[in-house]
Amino acid sequence: NAGVMQNPRHLVRRRGQEARLRCSPMKGHSHVYWYRQLPEEGLKFMVYLQKENIIDESGMPKERFSAEFPKEGPSILRIQQVVRGDSAAYFCASSPPNSGGSGYTFGSGTRLTVV
Amino acid sequence: EDQVTQSPEALRLQEGESSSLNCSYTVSGLRGLFWYRQDPGKGPEFLFTLYSAGEEKEKERLKATLTKKESFLHITAPKPEDSATYLCAVQAGGNTGFQKLVFGTGTRLLVSP
Repeated sequence: NAGVMQNPRHLVRRRGQEARLRCSPMKGHSHVYWYRQLPEEGLKFMVYLQKENIIDESGMPKERFSAEFPKEGPSILRIQQVVRGDSAAYFCASSPPNSGGSGYTFGSGTRLTVV
Repeated sequence: EDQVTQSPEALRLQEGESSSLNCSYTVSGLRGLFWYRQDPGKGPEFLFTLYSAGEEKEKERLKATLTKKESFLHITAPKPEDSATYLCAVQAGGNTGFQKLVFGTGTRLLVSP
């Protein structure tokens, strides 16, 4: 039973390019959460999605960031026109319904570097 | 605003030297407090959930306790393989179904042989 799969593990983008981060949840998990970890800061919530629905995006920056979790395929976190401040580790977690924080399983993250 | 403060930022122990990590929190109604372990280059790995003051959970050399204002992660006779960053997070209560996890910045633990 594979865990939460994130790819790529490392991503380098030049300023102004687009970054696409993918997350495949654990088998049987229908809820996906994205968190960002900036250097020397704690994990910060970005967005919570269920299949084809964004449930809570209160932690998403208003511009350039978007997320989706289609009926088929992985969840995608998309960052348009990246800037140096977007450099961070982006973690995806998944859970079965109604599990609370203890049901979260995190992936190994995607480390985005903007040059 | 919900807040989590962890101390110390870093802790160096000799193998077998027991100690405690602290997690202080302010939250508008606590739904749960969570401890995670994070190894370099990896995602957080779930350790414990505590729900109410006075609750305790144990797993091998780790024991987590909870009061109304803070939680402690006690490490008894640590081994080098316990070296990691330990993260504390809180989940606030509320009227809506979903509440995000609010994380502290972690305690980096290094256990020397």
